[in-house]
Amino acid sequence: AQSVSQHNHHVILSEAASLELGCNYSYGGTVNLFWYVQYPGQHLQLLLKYFSGDPLVKGIKGFEAEFIKSKFSFNLRKPSVQWSDTAEYFCAVNAYYGQNFVFGPGTRLSVLP
Amino acid sequence: DTGVSQDPRHKITKRGQNVTFRCDPISEHNRLYWYRQTLGQGPEFLTYFQNEAQLEKSRLLSDRFSAERPKGSFSTLEIQRTEQGDSAMYLCASSFGTGETEAFFGQGTRLTVV
Repeated sequence: AQSVSQHNHHVILSEAASLELGCNYSYGGTVNLFWYVQYPGQHLQLLLKYFSGDPLVKGIKGFEAEFIKSKFSFNLRKPSVQWSDTAEYFCAVNAYYGQNFVFGPGTRLSVLP
Repeated sequence: DTGVSQDPRHKITKRGQNVTFRCDPISEHNRLYWYRQTLGQGPEFLTYFQNEAQLEKSRLLSDRFSAERPKGSFSTLEIQRTEQGDSAMYLCASSFGTGETEAFFGQGTRLTVV
């Protein structure tokens, strides 16, 4: 069975600080990888996705993530966070020919102005 | 709005009552998923449909929970004899095809059992 772990439960940063959120998954086959974001009071939105090809993927709002297959990791990064990035971030995995999407427990990001 | 829509957005019910939620996926999306999310947790998979066929159910889904997708379009999730532990956000998502596909989520239905 697939599972996803996220390294941090709550991260607090000041504006302009750099961000890296860790994500590891367990699954031996080919996977699709995702980061979703949930702003306060809003629904889950896709931030970025990895299907194949270049392991460094870029998403919306300046976010990027790197897939390292040997480490089963898909860490999210942003060089300079803004107050508006305050949200909950979820890493998710879906087996390439699989069925459901499996989510990690989430990391709450608080950005102080 | 052509996204995933869920109804109602909020539901307060007394313990022991039955509730039913509706999800309308993005049109032409053949896959539909139900998840449950509690505060501070990630979405937990409940069940999944491909067209009208329910292909997978989580062990989390007790016998009090039932889901249908009668014509392969909208879906309903019913909870019978609700318990306080059922209080959560119920999320619906849809996707198209297999392989390189992503899930699109609705706003969710927040259930409070009192």
